[in-house]
Amino acid sequence: GAGVSQTPSNKVTEKGKYVELRCDPISGHTALYWYRQSLGQGPEFLIYFQGTGAADDSGLPNDRFFAVRPEGSVSTLKIQRTERGDSAVYLCASSFAFRTDTQYFGPGTRLTVL
Amino acid sequence: ELKVEQNPLFLSMQEEKNYTIYCNYSTTSDRLYWYRQDPGKSLESLFVLLSNGAVKQEGRLMASLDTKARLSTLHITAAVHDLSATYFCAVGDSGGGADGLTFGKGTHLIIQP
Repeated sequence: GAGVSQTPSNKVTEKGKYVELRCDPISGHTALYWYRQSLGQGPEFLIYFQGTGAADDSGLPNDRFFAVRPEGSVSTLKIQRTERGDSAVYLCASSFAFRTDTQYFGPGTRLTVL
Repeated sequence: ELKVEQNPLFLSMQEEKNYTIYCNYSTTSDRLYWYRQDPGKSLESLFVLLSNGAVKQEGRLMASLDTKARLSTLHITAAVHDLSATYFCAVGDSGGGADGLTFGKGTHLIIQP
């Protein structure tokens, strides 16, 4: 079956612009996570959805970052007023249901803010 | 706050040798994962370890978990070039911290023919 998909694969934007990154999880997975990975580092947790609700958004760095999952499947990570420091690979992961289930990662969106 | 430390961060080794990567974490956890990442690619799940004493093996890789010592190891037996990659351990906080995983910095492994 299909894995986690993310679009776009690359996004280049200018400082101050708004961007949306999309994640399509594995069918039937109720848990969805967003992470951010900077060069040479491990992924850093941003937000976790269980179904439609954001169960834990403690990793969002500030109020410029927001994510939604309105129908409990596809999720969109939204970044307002982008800054150069937001440049990173944004990874989405999904898991079946429980916190101990394996998280399967998508290919990521490489965001570059000029 | 959960902290995860991996060592070594860089490892260059020869084929057919054995080596171990260590992952220490700072607070109680109910789940620990090992992932592999190839350059420019996403993360591939290798092992899930959920209980003290858990041991999982797949091919030349074996992972174990000691929750009392807050330590997991990833052992490579008779390394081959195909295992060259970056390996991450990722830990889940069971003490009321974030629901997402906390990752180590990764171990960049190069296996020379």
